[in-house]
Amino acid sequence: EAQVTQNPRYLITVTGKKLTVTCSQNMNHEYMSWYRQDPGLGLRQIYYSMNVEVTDKGDVPEGYKVSRKEKRNFPLILESPSPNQTSLYFCASSLSGGPSYEQYFGPGTRLTVT
Amino acid sequence: QKEVEQDPGPLSVPEGAIVSLNCTYSNSAFQYFMWYRQYSRKGPELLMYTYSSGNKEDGRFTAQVDKSSKYISLFIRDSQPSDSATYLCAMSRSMFSGGYNKLIFGAGTRLAVHP
Repeated sequence: EAQVTQNPRYLITVTGKKLTVTCSQNMNHEYMSWYRQDPGLGLRQIYYSMNVEVTDKGDVPEGYKVSRKEKRNFPLILESPSPNQTSLYFCASSLSGGPSYEQYFGPGTRLTVT
Repeated sequence: QKEVEQDPGPLSVPEGAIVSLNCTYSNSAFQYFMWYRQYSRKGPELLMYTYSSGNKEDGRFTAQVDKSSKYISLFIRDSQPSDSATYLCAMSRSMFSGGYNKLIFGAGTRLAVHP
């Protein structure tokens, strides 16, 4: 089954404790992206990757890191999480970086930072 | 001012009603317009996609884009309880204006269709 998977689905952590949210897709997609979703603000892009070893900042990259060492994986790293990073996070992928390509979203990771 | 404005609702309608969901936007460079549907505790999934202006119909769903007014709509006919979800509009620029696959989303409208 074609899908984007994220782990963990739920995470509660404390301020400053490094964490990684994994994202994997099995569709051989070139383009992958991370979003956060907050009430009243919609989905905002954090980082994106056009291909292996090619990443760039989205609209809200502060406090986050990403890497793309393999085509299928695009982990999101919070090196020192803070309470304002409490949010619902989505990974997405698409076949290509063109704007007409459908983005497929993972099921989401709900992160709480206390 | 946000680039994309969308009334968050919630919108509650009886089964069988016609639902109208709308977004306005400020950036005239947007060329690609989408509607995503997001069920509770799930990721968004693409529902409708339109390039530039005009209408597009898919079953009970119709998407309209009015670029002159910077206004897009999604109509749902004969709404069903299974349509209860949050509907997100999303937009993207063309490749020629730096529009890689970056979507600008509205905040989403929560829709509840009750039997």
